[in-house]
Amino acid sequence: QSALTQTASVSGSPGQSITISCIGSSSNVGTFNLISWYQQHPGKAPKVMIYEGSKRPSGVSNRFSGSKSGNTASLTISGLQAEDEADYYCCSYAGSSTLVFGGGTKLTVL
Amino acid sequence: EVQLVESGGGLVQAGRSLRLSCVGSGFTFDDYAMHWVRQAPGKGLEWVSGISWNSANLGYAGSVKGRFTISRDNTKNSLYLQMNSLRLEDTALFYCVKDRGASAAAPLAFDIWGQGTMVTVSS
Repeated sequence: QSALTQTASVSGSPGQSITISCIGSSSNVGTFNLISWYQQHPGKAPKVMIYEGSKRPSGVSNRFSGSKSGNTASLTISGLQAEDEADYYCCSYAGSSTLVFGGGTKLTVL
Repeated sequence: EVQLVESGGGLVQAGRSLRLSCVGSGFTFDDYAMHWVRQAPGKGLEWVSGISWNSANLGYAGSVKGRFTISRDNTKNSLYLQMNSLRLEDTALFYCVKDRGASAAAPLAFDIWGQGTMVTVSS
């Protein structure tokens, strides 16, 4: 399976909005809506922020939202806060009980 | 408290085998699919393998297919990963992860993560 493609880094100032893209193919993102997003702070285990493309788990801020268009999934974080600085990974089902992650995006809050 | 605790990691020579274990608590283990996800030092996340609640559906990443075997024992609330023919590139922190759903053929999200067990493969 090929990894999903994410921009290596993105930055924004507090209060701003940023969007992280996750480019897949018709074998994964384009066909299945089983897309999830994870936040990982240094030295910590990842935390799910979005699942099934746009659903937020209980306890996750509504500043986080997910969407999909064609073969590209997106995570938008509005009202950036210092604690949002972390690595973000997308993940998609790829059929036949397999999944694939994106390479990760490092978010810097300026 | 919902918890996953991994064990079995360590230093092993290339070509040898290792078996990872994970015990779940605080939730009904046999209601959910389970997965292994790894992270090489300084690198990103890589899904390794997943298994449905009843072991009916199994999946493997191409990089481990034919070398790793996932299994579970619901009577012991335990998940396993048998790793054979280990390679230098298998060096990573291995996370045991709970799925929100029951089937590895329809994975919803990784909602509970263990703290990981480190596997180091040497030459």
